[in-house]
This record gives sequence, C-alpha cells and structure tokens, in this order.
Amino acid sequence: DTGVSQDPRHKITKRGQNVTFRCDPISEHNRLYWYRQTLGQGPEFLTYFQNEAQLEKSRLLSDRFSAERPKGSFSTLEIQRTEQGDSAMYLCASSLQGNDNEQFFGPGTRLTVL
Amino acid sequence: SQQGEEDPQALSIQEGENATMNCSYKTSINNLQWYRQNSGRGLVHLILIRSNEREKHSGRLRVTLDTSKKSSSLLITASRAADTASYFCATDARSGNTPLVFGKGTRLSVIA
Repeated sequence: DTGVSQDPRHKITKRGQNVTFRCDPISEHNRLYWYRQTLGQGPEFLTYFQNEAQLEKSRLLSDRFSAERPKGSFSTLEIQRTEQGDSAMYLCASSLQGNDNEQFFGPGTRLTVL
Repeated sequence: SQQGEEDPQALSIQEGENATMNCSYKTSINNLQWYRQNSGRGLVHLILIRSNEREKHSGRLRVTLDTSKKSSSLLITASRAADTASYFCATDARSGNTPLVFGKGTRLSVIA
C-alpha cells in the first residue's frame, strides 16, 4: 500500500486555461475527499465521494469546478477557466467508512495561475 | 469557514524542550484529529481522540480533550529539529465519516 497519490505535484497555468488533477486513494478506502489550502490557512473542504457517488459539495466549489470518481477508485478534479484566486494547494484524502473518519492525505497538487 | 483555532499561531523552542499547542472549536464534535504538515507537503495524520476520551498518548505525543471547554491540546515531548512543521487540529462535527474542519494551524520551529 503506497498511500494516497496525487498527480501532478505542481501545475503552472495561465488564467483562463483548464486544469485537471488526479487522486489515487488508498486501495481499500471507499471515501475520497478534496480540500483546498491557501498559504497560512488550514485545508478547506471542497467535495467528497463515497464510492462513485458525490455526496457533498462545499459552497467553495463554484460551477467552474467539477469532480468525478467514475469507478469508485481514482478521482479527478477539473477547474475550468482558471482565475488567479484558484492558486492554492489542492489536497486529496481518503478514508475507510466506519473507521472513525481517520483521513489520510496525499502530497497535494500546487496550482499557480499566472 | 474554519471551525477550530490553534494557539499559538507560531511557537519557537529549543531542541529537547516540550511543545504545547492548543485548539479550540465551536460546535459539538464526534472526534478530533491532529495533523502535521511540513512546508509545502501533504498532511500526516498524528493522532485521533474520540469525544468520549479525555487523553491519549502516542510515542512522544500526548493529546487531551475537554469537550466542556471545546478545546484540545497537543504536547510534543523532548522535541527534535525534525518536529519543525505546522500542526493542525481537525474536527468531525457529525457522525458518519464527514469532511474534516481544520483550524489555521500552529507553526512550530524547533531549533537545534
């Protein structure tokens, strides 16, 4: 078990471009979470999945953001028409339902929008 | 919005000293977790304490929880330079595996 992985680790893009990030959770974990973290702040929840179902979305998740987990394994987070305010670290975490909600985080994808 | 507030925001100590960080939160919780984050990296899970527990130990870590005061503390004993990181508390306000709500963190610097 290699833990939660995320790809890419860094992404630099120009304003207005679309970007997509991938998260591979711990293999037996059925819950997957996306968080966003800006400098000097703690992570803030964006959305989460149980298996392939997206169960909750934060109001932080504007209509330019979309997340999928098509087969209940890996997940993708897409940001369309990126804005400078989207610059942040995007963190993915996974957990096993019923396991006290102990969430294990990936290394994150750092997005810089120029 | 963030549920918890860590105190202090920053802490600088000498290697070998103990470090204490506090976390306060606003609503009833299911459990509280502490995470460590090295600069620019992901979060590492340190310890989880349930709402019906008052104290928990793991190696050099000691966590207390006072639900009547809605507060928790993390004590790191005999600190090492490698403990330099940001420490976050995270609460689970509802039962059934829900998103965590994080504070802003305490930045700990351990000077060798």
